[in-house]
Amino acid sequence: ELKVEQNPLFLSMQEGKNYTIYCNYSTTSDRLYWYRQDPGKSLESLFVLLSNGAVKQEGRLMASLDTKARLSTLHITAAVHDLSATYFCAVDEGSGTYKYIFGTGTRLKVLA
Amino acid sequence: GEEVAQTPKHLVRGEGQKAKLYCAPIKGHSYVFWYQQVLKNEFKFLISFQNENVFDETGMPKERFSAKCLPNSPCSLEIQATKLEDSAVYFCASSQLGEKLFFGSGTQLSVL
Repeated sequence: ELKVEQNPLFLSMQEGKNYTIYCNYSTTSDRLYWYRQDPGKSLESLFVLLSNGAVKQEGRLMASLDTKARLSTLHITAAVHDLSATYFCAVDEGSGTYKYIFGTGTRLKVLA
Repeated sequence: GEEVAQTPKHLVRGEGQKAKLYCAPIKGHSYVFWYQQVLKNEFKFLISFQNENVFDETGMPKERFSAKCLPNSPCSLEIQATKLEDSAVYFCASSQLGEKLFFGSGTQLSVL
């Protein structure tokens, strides 16, 4: 059974600082998503990572995937208050199931 | 439509009452997914459809939960005899090919 873990669960950081959120998963998969959720809102798709070594960047966020280590990272560069949200990774269970298992989420608070 | 439409936004039920939630996927999307989010985190996969056929129902508590996606009708998720622990936000998502998921805004179910 696929398990997905994120750390940290909570992250409070100052504006302008850098930090990384980690997403570990327990079984082989070659499809991983990062989502953002604002309080009381739906999920916004940020990145899809489809192969080992994939790297995607959008603004101050950069995501990478290492399928051998079963690890994805979401790196935040020079954080700004608008990035405050909860970030989830979701991993495809595989074998064509399209069953996505979500991580526990990382609640990010960027302090002005 | 161009977005996943979920109704109602909020639903309040007494324990033991029935609850029915609706989801209209994006036009042209073949896959529909239902997720349950408890305590603002912990997304739990419930069920997926490929057109009107159940694709994966391994997450469904079958004794009280049922779901349908019929042609020319919104998809539905029904909970018979609701329990307190069913209180959650239920998200529907749709996808063209089972890959990138587009989420609706959710239905907040409160069981009193």
